[in-house]
Amino acid sequence: GAGVSQTPSNKVTEKGKYVELRCDPISGHTALYWYRQSLGQGPEFLIYFQGTGAADDSGLPNDRFFAVRPEGSVSTLKIQRTERGDSAVYLCASSGGFEGPQHFGDGTRLSIL
Amino acid sequence: GENVEQHPSTLSVQEGDSAVIKCTYSDSASNYFPWYKQELGKRPQLIIDIRSNVGEKKDQRIAVTLNKTAKHFSLHITETQPEDSAVYFCAAIGSNFGNEKLTFGTGTRLTIIP
Repeated sequence: GAGVSQTPSNKVTEKGKYVELRCDPISGHTALYWYRQSLGQGPEFLIYFQGTGAADDSGLPNDRFFAVRPEGSVSTLKIQRTERGDSAVYLCASSGGFEGPQHFGDGTRLSIL
Repeated sequence: GENVEQHPSTLSVQEGDSAVIKCTYSDSASNYFPWYKQELGKRPQLIIDIRSNVGEKKDQRIAVTLNKTAKHFSLHITETQPEDSAVYFCAAIGSNFGNEKLTFGTGTRLTIIP
């Protein structure tokens, strides 16, 4: 596609619920990244995929967060038992290779009530 | 891990003047330094990047300089225009092989005064 696509653009849910956020990277990009951005701050790294495997998941805050990329393209970030502190914009980026420029999607604004 | 500091947090510049934003990083082996522009409610947009094997890179009104010895890099915008108003983030990639994560600075809110 023309750019990184993320759905939904907005998600409002109640505390304790389960959410899935989807990222469709630029066609042909092998690397995919998830970041989280809180208001007034820079994006913070969550997890990085090279192909289908998670090469680095050191940024996931706890075991409620999980991400998959089963076919090496689309990725889903999954959050269980959501908490109000999970509210943020979740950004996805993709790149074409080692230390390639990372291009971001518009993000999913997640609000936990 | 990598730590990136960014200054100033806010910057107001008269239209037509230049703006400079500075960042420092902690990992001396870091080798890739992008700059992103983010307008309110929009995605971070890559505007320029530099690798550690060069000291300066320019693209029209935007330039980035890198001082590896001092571990700092700067964004320079000349002939500023109202559409340059946004939040700008610097970032760095650390040195571990296969470590592709970007560590971002805290951002600079740039306002261009007409």
